[in-house]
Amino acid sequence: EPEVTQTPSHQVTQMGQEVILRCVPISNHLYFYWYRQILGQKVEFLVSFYNNEISEKSEIFDDQFSVERPDGSNFTLKIRSTKLEDSAMYFCASTTGMVSPLHFGNGTRLTVT
Amino acid sequence: SQQGEEDPQALSIQEGENATMNCSYKTSINNLQWYRQNSGRGLVHLILIRSNEREKHSGRLRVTLDTSKKSSSLLITASRAADTASYFCTGGQTTGKLIFGQGTTLQVKP
Repeated sequence: EPEVTQTPSHQVTQMGQEVILRCVPISNHLYFYWYRQILGQKVEFLVSFYNNEISEKSEIFDDQFSVERPDGSNFTLKIRSTKLEDSAMYFCASTTGMVSPLHFGNGTRLTVT
Repeated sequence: SQQGEEDPQALSIQEGENATMNCSYKTSINNLQWYRQNSGRGLVHLILIRSNEREKHSGRLRVTLDTSKKSSSLLITASRAADTASYFCTGGQTTGKLIFGQGTTLQVKP
C-alpha cells in the first residue's frame, strides 16, 4: 500500500540554525499538510497546501516557517531559525480530496539544542 | 474541522475484551473520523463516518454516530495487545485541516 515517507526520522540542530524537513506524499494526492506534536501534547495543525500554494495556516506557522513543493514528488517544511520550542515531532500528511481521510507519515523528530 | 473530546482519557483492558471509546463534539459536522496513534508514530486513519450514517463497521471496529447528541463511539472487539495506542476523533465539514484532542489512551494487557 502506498505510504507517506518522511526524512530524516530524527534531526538534531542547534538553536538559530535552519532545518528542512522532507516528505514524499502519496503520488496521486493533491492536498498536503504539516502537523506537529510537542512531546506529551496534542497533534497540532500547522499548514495546508494545495495547487502550489498555502490554503490555510495556523497561528503557529509564523514567518519562520515556509513550505514548498519543489518538484512533483517532494513537500518540504523549512524552519529558518530554530528555537528550543520548535522541538517536536513533525508529521506530513496527504490526501486526494477535501472529503477523504488523511494519510500520515511516521514523522521527523526535531530536537533543537 | 473541530476537536472532539474523547472519553475516557485512559482505558486499560485485558486482551480479548472489548474496548469502547466515546467522542463528543460541539457544532454540526459533515463527517467524523477516528485515528489511531501508536507511541512515537504517525496517525493512522481508522474509519470515517458521514453525518447521514448511524453506524459503520471495519473489521473489528464499529463506529456509531448520533448527530442529535453530537456524539460518536468507537468499539474495538476482541482486543489485541497490538491495539495499544491512543485514539482520536475529529469532525468537520471537510476532512482536511484536522483538530485533535488529547485522545483516549488504550492499553491492552496480554
